[in-house]
Amino acid sequence: KAGVTQTPRYLIKTRGQQVTLSCSPISGHRSVSWYQQTPGQGLQFLFEYFSETQRNKGNFPGRFSGRQFSNSRSEMNVSTLELGDSALYLCASSLPLAGGPDTQYFGPGTRLTVL
Amino acid sequence: QKEVEQNSGPLSVPEGAIASLNCTYSDRVSQSFFWYRQYSGKSPELIMSIYSNGDKEDGRFTAQLNKASQYVSLLIRDSQPSDSATYLCAVSTGANSKLTFGKGITLSVRP
Repeated sequence: KAGVTQTPRYLIKTRGQQVTLSCSPISGHRSVSWYQQTPGQGLQFLFEYFSETQRNKGNFPGRFSGRQFSNSRSEMNVSTLELGDSALYLCASSLPLAGGPDTQYFGPGTRLTVL
Repeated sequence: QKEVEQNSGPLSVPEGAIASLNCTYSDRVSQSFFWYRQYSGKSPELIMSIYSNGDKEDGRFTAQLNKASQYVSLLIRDSQPSDSATYLCAVSTGANSKLTFGKGITLSVRP
């Protein structure tokens, strides 16, 4: 079974621009979560989508947004980029199991550099 | 603020030794616990999950959970140089998919 895929793998943008990242979950997985990883803050939760609805949101400004499509693919958008947005953006997918533990599997990530 | 703390590193062990990685969490309603391994420049890879108190073994890896002490650990037996990576502890309440991660600990296995 193919794993989580993310595109693009690398991006270089300048301050003020916007960016859209894409994530395709493992086949059959319906939940997609997004995380930001930086050396200083580590891995931080951005948001989670399930059945095209945002189910959870982390403590990030409104410049960070996302959506999920009917095939469970998800996109994340960051508007008005700032230098501090430079990070590895990770997407994770999970089934999830009703009432059960939810195991998340990560994609390879998108490395965003803001100049 | 729900927190996950991992003991400070880096940790260096000789090849063949046991590496012990520790993690504490603050949210008592946490139900699911995960250890991820992340090689430099790569994404996190799930190596162990544990949900009940006690030990769970998978090959050279053993996860230990003590909910009363809010403590979860990972033991790596017969450590190999290929185990050299950053190990991330992650916790979720089980009611949703949000994972809260520790900052990670870097393990170096010396040949």
